Amino acid sequence: NAGVMQNPRHLVRRRGQEARLRCSPMKGHSHVYWYRQLPEEGLKFMVYLQKENIIDESGMPKERFSAEFPKEGPSILRIQQVVRGDSAAYFCASSPPVSSDTQYFGPGTRLTVL
Amino acid sequence: AQSVTQLDSQVPVFEEAPVELRCNYSSSVSVYLFWYVQYPNQGLQLLLKYLSGSTLVESINGFEAEFNKSQTSFHLRKPSVHISDTAEYFCAVTFTYNTDKLIFGTGTRLQVFP
Repeated sequence: NAGVMQNPRHLVRRRGQEARLRCSPMKGHSHVYWYRQLPEEGLKFMVYLQKENIIDESGMPKERFSAEFPKEGPSILRIQQVVRGDSAAYFCASSPPVSSDTQYFGPGTRLTVL
Repeated sequence: AQSVTQLDSQVPVFEEAPVELRCNYSSSVSVYLFWYVQYPNQGLQLLLKYLSGSTLVESINGFEAEFNKSQTSFHLRKPSVHISDTAEYFCAVTFTYNTDKLIFGTGTRLQVFP
């Protein structure tokens, strides 16, 4: 049973470009969470999604960031017009629809903005 | 507001010595507690968790943590560490009534020396 998959593992963008980060949850998991880890800091919650629904986006920056989890395909975290401060590791986690008290994390995408 | 405090940012220790990584939390409601480990350039792996029942929980690789409600602590211990335990350790909590988001501490870097 494959774990949570994220791609790309490393992403380099220039200021003003768009970044798309993808996350495929574990098989049987329908809940997806995105977290951001800034250098030398812990992870901070960004958004929680279920299929085709955003459940909690209280941690998402108000501008330039968006997330989706379509009926088919991976969850996407999209950052428009990236700035240097967006450089971070972005982790996706998933949990099953029942007994969702534990989240399982992917390997992360390390975004570098030049 | 709920928060997690990991008092030690770095813990250096010699191989085969015991270690304790401290974690305290602040919450006005019941919580679940987790320890995650992050090896260099990798994602987070669940080490152990407390949901209910016995306050002492163990992992398969010799770590244990004890939930102390009166002291609001969930310290992680291992009686004898290995070089391979070198990693970043994160303590996290989530609310029992709403497990949508994990609140992480800032992490403790455990460095094991030969």
